[in-house]
Amino acid sequence: EAGVTQFPSHSVIEKGQTVTLRCDPISGHDNLYWYRRVMGKEIKFLLHFVKESKQDESGMPNNRFLAERTGGTYSTLKVQPAELEDSGVYFCASSPSVNTIYFGEGSWLTVV
Amino acid sequence: AQSVTQPDIHITVSEGASLELRCNYSYGATPYLFWYVQSPGQGLQLLLKYFSGDTLVQGIKGFEAEFKRSQSSFNLRKPSVHWSDAAEYFCAVTRSNDYKLSFGAGTTVTVRA
Repeated sequence: EAGVTQFPSHSVIEKGQTVTLRCDPISGHDNLYWYRRVMGKEIKFLLHFVKESKQDESGMPNNRFLAERTGGTYSTLKVQPAELEDSGVYFCASSPSVNTIYFGEGSWLTVV
Repeated sequence: AQSVTQPDIHITVSEGASLELRCNYSYGATPYLFWYVQSPGQGLQLLLKYFSGDTLVQGIKGFEAEFKRSQSSFNLRKPSVHWSDAAEYFCAVTRSNDYKLSFGAGTTVTVRA
């Protein structure tokens, strides 16, 4: 069974550009999450989808970040325009319930 | 609000020696507790979890953790480390009806030969 898949694994973009990160959850998992770890900081929750609905987006830092999950399958996280402080690792995770949350390998974003 | 403290930023241990990573949480109700590991270039892998019942939980890769309510702790242990255990370890907590994980800052483990 495939795990949580994230693309791209690494991305280097210039300040002001746009980046879109994609996450494919484990098949059948209704819950999908985005977390991120910026340099030197803790891993922080960004948002939670249940199927295609945003259940909790309290962790989204500002309106430059837009997450979607059309059709309740894969999700995208767009950063537009990217700023230097957005550099870090963006983790996607999925779960059938709270019992076990499976994380992907992360998308490493560098904004220069 | 719930929070997690991992007091040790970096630990160095000899291969074959025992390892203990500390985790303290701040939370009013019974927490759901997790330990994750991130090896270099890899994602977060779940080592073990505690929801209820036996306070000593066994995980993968020979790890175990003990929940101590009186100390608000959930320390991770391994009797004998292998070079492949070199990684960053994260303790995380959530509530029983909440999917949002709160992570500690992480502890980096270096294994020396």
